[in-house]
Amino acid sequence: NAGVTQTPKFQVLKTGQSMTLQCAQDMNHNSMYWYRQDPGMGLRLIYYSASEGTTDKGEVPNGYNVSRLNKREFSLRLESAAPSQTSVYFCASRRVEKLFFGSGTQLSVL
Amino acid sequence: GQQVMQIPQYQHVQEGEDFTTYCNSSTTLSNIQWYKQRPGGHPVFLIQLVKSGEVKKQKRLTFQFGEAKKNSSLHITATQTTDVGTYFCAGPRPSGATNKLIFGTGTLLAVQP
Repeated sequence: NAGVTQTPKFQVLKTGQSMTLQCAQDMNHNSMYWYRQDPGMGLRLIYYSASEGTTDKGEVPNGYNVSRLNKREFSLRLESAAPSQTSVYFCASRRVEKLFFGSGTQLSVL
Repeated sequence: GQQVMQIPQYQHVQEGEDFTTYCNSSTTLSNIQWYKQRPGGHPVFLIQLVKSGEVKKQKRLTFQFGEAKKNSSLHITATQTTDVGTYFCAGPRPSGATNKLIFGTGTLLAVQP
């Protein structure tokens, strides 16, 4: 039982490049989330998906798009990466009140 | 918008000392959760508080939810080196959007053996 799996673990991009962060969960949870974590700012919600086929904006959605491909998978896309998007990205799924987090993706945009 | 602030941002203690972190919301929360993140790791759920004035204990950890449901605290008795990490509180946004969980800024705890 892998829980929440994120790929890649590390990524370096140049300004203007695009990429997709992948997330999959095997716990049959309906809700999934993308957060970013920056020093001194805690975890900020980018997008979430309450169920398959639905997505909604969080606190900091600008510059990102998401796709809830199926119940298992929730991807985050950066169309044109900017240095301000340098961060650690966490995907999570939810069962009742608990969030279960993946191990994170450390992204650097140069 | 709703803000969830935590104090202190950083605390350094000697092993065996007590530690407390405080979480304050600008709006009333229907519930509050606490998470722990070890250095280099990911957040892990600790507990959820729902009722006004609720107190819950997990071994050396004591969690409280304020009477007005706008603040919460986590107290660790006799810290150990295994307590090192960042502690976050989190609460749902108001207006019933319980799926939107907003995290506090976190308190980093360092424990010196």
